[in-house]
Amino acid sequence: AQKVTQAQTEISVVEKEDVTLDCVYETRDTTYYLFWYKQPPSGELVFLIRRNSFDEQNEISGRYSWNFQKSTSSFNFTITASQVVDSAVYFCALSDPNYGGSQGNLIFGKGTKLSVKP
Amino acid sequence: DSGVTQTPKHLITATGQRVTLRCSPRSGDLSVYWYQQSLDQGLQFLIQYYNGEERAKGNILERFSAQQFPDLHSELNLSSLELGDSALYFCASSVAVAETQYFGPGTRLLVL
Repeated sequence: AQKVTQAQTEISVVEKEDVTLDCVYETRDTTYYLFWYKQPPSGELVFLIRRNSFDEQNEISGRYSWNFQKSTSSFNFTITASQVVDSAVYFCALSDPNYGGSQGNLIFGKGTKLSVKP
Repeated sequence: DSGVTQTPKHLITATGQRVTLRCSPRSGDLSVYWYQQSLDQGLQFLIQYYNGEERAKGNILERFSAQQFPDLHSELNLSSLELGDSALYFCASSVAVAETQYFGPGTRLLVL
């Protein structure tokens, strides 16, 4: 079965703190894709990153960084020096095009609500 | 702005009614996905179309149907609405299967 677990339901930090959002996934296939999306209070879903299962290199984009570890089936997201504008719900998602009748649809975790206080 | 448009933004209707949600994908994207976001179920995949053909179905109720037209826009039809259908409905598009999906702003449906 395919599953994405985001164990942290809510996290609250003070501005400028670093914060890591955890994501653990389950799949039996060797080819799959992992994503992070951000949902600010306005409600839209904003794409942040896509990684394929063969690329375990960590990625950094400004204050955002991602740590992909196949050995622990984790794809964690770190925000460095958090800002109030980072307050949002963050979703981790899995896409497995080879699973059953899947055509790349996303399986989402429940999301982590991040509150950054000034 | 993702380039995916959805109309209407908000919809209030009564139980038993039928509504149609509309989605226009990003220019060049052939694949359209529909998702439902509710408090109890989270974000769930409903259905996917690719270049006019249905490709995959998720947890879509029989009361719901969708189609993708030759100009690639898609419509999601919800009928015999129940209170539990109240949710945020997202459309997403991608250039191909398993590529990045870009989401529209969503349609917030309230069934009274």
